[in-house]
This record gives sequence, structure tokens and C-alpha cells, in this order.
Amino acid sequence: AQSVTQPDIHITVSEGASLELRCNYSYGATPYLFWYVQSPGQGLQLLLKYFSGDTLVQGIKGFEAEFKRSQSSFNLRKPSVHWSDAAEYFCAVGTTSGTYKYIFGTGTRLKVLA
Amino acid sequence: GAGVSQSPRYKVTKRGQDVTLRCDPISSHATLYWYQQALGQGPEFLTYFNYEAQPDKSGLPSDRFSAERPEGSISTLTIQRTEQRDSAMYRCASSPTASLGEQYFGPGTRLTVT
Repeated sequence: AQSVTQPDIHITVSEGASLELRCNYSYGATPYLFWYVQSPGQGLQLLLKYFSGDTLVQGIKGFEAEFKRSQSSFNLRKPSVHWSDAAEYFCAVGTTSGTYKYIFGTGTRLKVLA
Repeated sequence: GAGVSQSPRYKVTKRGQDVTLRCDPISSHATLYWYQQALGQGPEFLTYFNYEAQPDKSGLPSDRFSAERPEGSISTLTIQRTEQRDSAMYRCASSPTASLGEQYFGPGTRLTVT
């Protein structure tokens, strides 16, 4: 069955430190992968997506993610975290088995220390 | 409109009552998705529309849940005979493409069933 796992429920980093949020997926075909960010009281906003091609994708707000097929992973990274990055982050896989839909992970809540 | 809007933003209802949630997508967007998001979880797919067609409603938890998009624009999600387990955030998202792509999320409707 298709699934997305985000092993870290909470992560705390200091402002200016680097960040990596983990995402593993289970999907038989070529995955369409997404990272979304959800700030309090807001809807989810797309950070970046991977469909094909270069496995290192750049997104908004200085985020990047790397697709590693051998590890079934799509980890999100940022070299230097800003206090405004505190939010909840969701990884998702888009499926094309018959119809188009998205499976989301349970999210990682990021706290940034000043 | 400028973005996806949902109404009401908050809804408190008594068990057994029917509720209808509304989603106003970005104009001209082809697809519209409904999700249920429990506290501490990621969004879970309920159903989606491609214009007025509803290709997949496999995520609807029971026959108490139904959705419409009669003119291919505004959509409603109706829950009949609400139960406490229906309490959740209900999110709507629209996308300009009929296949997988970026989704634009609304702020959600927080439903509480007492």
C-alpha cells in the first residue's frame, strides 16, 4: 500500500543552524513528491515538488530536497533556519493508480530557538 | 478570487445534526480536493473533482459523507447525522491541472461535534 512516513514528530533547532526533515515513502511506481508547510491558522503552502529529472530540487524560502530512489526518501533541507520557519511540515506523494490523489505524512513540527 | 476560501471557518454542531461545508476554489481551477485532518495528523484524502465530475470518492469514511461540485466551481461537503468522531479540520484544495500538480489550500473549516 502507498504510504508516507515522517519519523520525526517534533524537531527543535537553533536559529541559523541547518535543518533536515526526513520523509520516506512507499509507492510502487515513479513517485510524484511534495513538501508543504503549514503555519498556524493558515492553509498548506507548497515548498517544492519532484516529478522527474534532477534529484535535487530547489524550492521557495531557501528550502531544497533530494530524491533518493534507493532509499525511498525525499528529505527536506535548509542550510540556515530562520525563526519564521517555525511551522509544521508535511511530505506527500501523489499517486496515479487509476485516479490522481495525494497521500500525506503525519507531519513534523519545527520549533526554532532564538 | 485571490485564493481558496472556505466557510464557515468554525462550526460547532450537536451530534445527529447535518452540516454543510463550502469551498470556493481559485477561479478556473480544474480540480478540487477535500481532506479531513485530525489533530496531530496529516490531511487525509476524502474525494476530488475534475470540474463537475467526481472520479474518486474512495476516501469518504461512510455514506453519511457526500460532496458536490455541480457547476465545476464551488463545492460543498455535507455530513449527515454527525458523530463526535467527525470532529476535525476539513480542508479544501484546488489545482489548475487535471493531473498531479501544485495544490492551493484553503484555511480549512474546524468542525466540532458535541
